[in-house]
Amino acid sequence: QQPVQSPQAVILREGEDAVINCSSSKALYSVHWYRQKHGEAPVFLMILLKGGEQKGHEKISASFNEKKQQSSLYLTASQLSYSGTYFCGTVPLLTYSGGGADGLTFGKGTHLIIQP
Amino acid sequence: DAGITQSPRYKITETGRQVTLMCHQTWSHSYMFWYRQDLGHGLRLIYYSAAADITDKGEVPDGYVVSRSKTENFPLTLESATRSQTSVYFCASSVAGSYEQYFGPGTRLTVT
Repeated sequence: QQPVQSPQAVILREGEDAVINCSSSKALYSVHWYRQKHGEAPVFLMILLKGGEQKGHEKISASFNEKKQQSSLYLTASQLSYSGTYFCGTVPLLTYSGGGADGLTFGKGTHLIIQP
Repeated sequence: DAGITQSPRYKITETGRQVTLMCHQTWSHSYMFWYRQDLGHGLRLIYYSAAADITDKGEVPDGYVVSRSKTENFPLTLESATRSQTSVYFCASSVAGSYEQYFGPGTRLTVT
């Protein structure tokens, strides 16, 4: 089952903040965030492992609540370059085989549009 | 050039024909994956491979066949193409022990 992402789409002005949520019905080992620009391949942003850690990358950070099987991606002071579709990918705890050989189960994506 | 490449980038084929999508990576990554991307579905895993000669089914494997005789290549074959297989196909790879997947540029396949 695919994780559920919300919102499906969001339109922001440059400089505003955004939060994208990812929720799973399964116990998770890890959550992965990717960004895809139109016509391009998805690009890795970050991984959050079981343990409830929070990670950051410049003005983009994420959290993982393993009790709720939820992850949130935070984009602070958004820039035009942040526009694109954001996907969360999950590895269920039950099927985790170790080492990264598992493929990911992706959500349907959140379309983020940043306007000047 | 180093990286992960896919060929062809665009393909139009007829229903019932066999078509093979190629994926090649120069990093010697152990793990390789095939996803399809459709509007309203996001990315869905078709097959994955942990090493040469080791492949496993993903979420949507029906109608597809993969092989991996060499570490760097992971071709995907549609044995008898159907219109429902019209999609953008992405190949990805990752280092053993890492979940960071690197995606190829994709192949846009249209089945008429």
